[in-house]
Amino acid sequence: KQEVTQIPAALSVPEGENLVLNCSFTDSAIYNLQWFRQDPGKGLTSLLLIQSSQREQTSGRLNASLDKSSGRSTLYIAASQPGDSATYLCAVDSNYQLIWGAGTKLIIKP
Amino acid sequence: DAGITQSPRHKVTETGTPVTLRCHQTENHRYMYWYRQDPGHGLRLIHYSYGVKDTDKGEVSDGYSVSRSKTEDFLLTLESATSSQTSVYFCAISDLGVTYEQYFGPGTRLTVT
Repeated sequence: KQEVTQIPAALSVPEGENLVLNCSFTDSAIYNLQWFRQDPGKGLTSLLLIQSSQREQTSGRLNASLDKSSGRSTLYIAASQPGDSATYLCAVDSNYQLIWGAGTKLIIKP
Repeated sequence: DAGITQSPRHKVTETGTPVTLRCHQTENHRYMYWYRQDPGHGLRLIHYSYGVKDTDKGEVSDGYSVSRSKTEDFLLTLESATSSQTSVYFCAISDLGVTYEQYFGPGTRLTVT
């Protein structure tokens, strides 16, 4: 059974720092991995989707990498801003269902 | 934002009562999903639909049923609500299935007392 873990559960950093969020999964047989952002009281917004054949995807200050063999993905956020404060979730497409991590709550301090 | 609405946005109900949550989309997407989100569990798939009247179970389907009579509407019913079904429920849509991006509604916070 696929399991997805995100560590740490919470992270607080000063504005301007570069940071890395981690996502690990137990079964490497995935079709893709997706990163989402969730703001309090709101729905989820898709940030990046990495197909299983890809190693990374970039969007603006965000870069996501995928290493299927080790069961890991990282989300790199460059030059963090207070507006980046949110919960970040990763999900893997395993057998045509998304299996989700519990998320990392990120706080960027001005 | 993708045109997805959920109703109601908040609901408090008593144990044993039936509850129906509605998801409405204006994007004409084929796939629709119902998830629940609980602290420490991330999101878990309840049911999904791959077309009108075509639905299937997800990871945590016990106690829930769904219906999709029109492309734009996907209903989630709790036949007899229990306290363990207190959660935030999210609807999502996708044009081409889970291999592609999903777009989420704002969520419904359900409390069963």
